[in-house]
Amino acid sequence: GNSVTQMEGPVTLSEEAFLTINCTYTATGYPSLFWYVQYPGEGLQLLLKATKADDKGSNKGFEATYRKETTSFHLEKGSVQVSDSAVYFCALTLNTGFQKLVFGTGTRLLVSP
Amino acid sequence: NAGVTQTPKFRVLKTGQSMTLLCAQDMNHEYMYWYRQDPGMGLRLIHYSVGEGTTAKGEVPDGYNVSRLKKQNFLLGLESAAPSQTSVYFCASRGSGEDTQYFGPGTRLTVL
Repeated sequence: GNSVTQMEGPVTLSEEAFLTINCTYTATGYPSLFWYVQYPGEGLQLLLKATKADDKGSNKGFEATYRKETTSFHLEKGSVQVSDSAVYFCALTLNTGFQKLVFGTGTRLLVSP
Repeated sequence: NAGVTQTPKFRVLKTGQSMTLLCAQDMNHEYMYWYRQDPGMGLRLIHYSVGEGTTAKGEVPDGYNVSRLKKQNFLLGLESAAPSQTSVYFCASRGSGEDTQYFGPGTRLTVL
């Protein structure tokens, strides 16, 4: 089946630290990969995406590269801010049919000043 | 554009009561989805719709019904609420030919 595995949180960092949140996937076929972010009390927002191998998605200083050989899509940011504190979800969708999103369990990031 | 909106934002029910959650989108999207979010489990698909008048079951459909009478609205119904349905419910929509789903702000439901 299709699944997404994320590192468990919470991830606790000081402001300006480097962030990595690991995400690996299992999929039949060729998925598109996503990172969604959920700020406290809000819904999910698309952070970035990549639709094929070696694509790099980027937004707001965050980056993730679609690595087919390692089935990974790790999220990175060079210098986190307090405002980045949120829950981050890795997800995949197969580009067929109704395109169900398969989510990881989410990783909470806490950034302190 | 308001995007995807959900009503209500919060609701408390007693076991056995019924209610309907409303999702509305103003992006003329064909596809709409209902998810539930539970701690440590990510989001799981309850039901979805590929167009007006169509609905289909997702991963966890038991205890829920849905309707899509108008393209812009997707209703999620609980006929007889159970404590196991305590969760945060998210609606999402997607345009035909797109791969990105857009989410509403969520409804927090507590069943006592």
